[in-house]
Amino acid sequence: AQRVTQPEKLLSVFKGAPVELKCNYSYSGSPELFWYVQYSRQRLQLLLRHISRESIKGFTADLNKGETSFHLKKPFAQEEDSAMYYCALSPYNTDKLIFGTGTRLQVFP
Amino acid sequence: DAGITQSPRYKITETGRQVTLMCHQTWSHSYMFWYRQDLGHGLRLIYYSAAADITDKGEVPDGYVVSRSKTENFPLTLESATRSQTSVYFCASTPGTSGSAETQYFGPGTRLLVL
Repeated sequence: AQRVTQPEKLLSVFKGAPVELKCNYSYSGSPELFWYVQYSRQRLQLLLRHISRESIKGFTADLNKGETSFHLKKPFAQEEDSAMYYCALSPYNTDKLIFGTGTRLQVFP
Repeated sequence: DAGITQSPRYKITETGRQVTLMCHQTWSHSYMFWYRQDLGHGLRLIYYSAAADITDKGEVPDGYVVSRSKTENFPLTLESATRSQTSVYFCASTPGTSGSAETQYFGPGTRLLVL
């Protein structure tokens, strides 16, 4: 079965602390993985995708096929990072997305 | 961001009524999607469309109907609304030209309450 698991519903940290939002997936082939973010009163938008291997707003995510994980990391959290984060998987050769249940990140001053 | 819009933004209806949620995009994207967002479930795909007149079921299609007579519009109809369909509905689109998954662009959402 194709599934994305985000074990934490809520993650609270203080400004300047490191952040890691966990994402594990279940998929038999080679997936494409994404992180989407929804800031308060804004639309859901792409944060990053594993293919591009880029860092966006200080966030990075590495695909670990052995552990079937795609954790999102940032060394120093900022208050403006507070948002809802969704990990998503796209099965090979499709444009569909399978989303996890999301993790709400709260960064306190 | 104004490229994909949804209407209405808020809707209250009663059980058994038919409701249609509209989605319009101005980018001529091939693919369009409907998701529902529920606490504890994240976003779940209801229906999607690869092009005009081509639609397919997603994860939770029961109770919903879609059509796509024009590339830019992708309406979602609840034929007989139930309380379990109370949710936030998101429409999204993607160019669908690269052969692999591309960025999906989301609308602002429609909050639907079924009494």
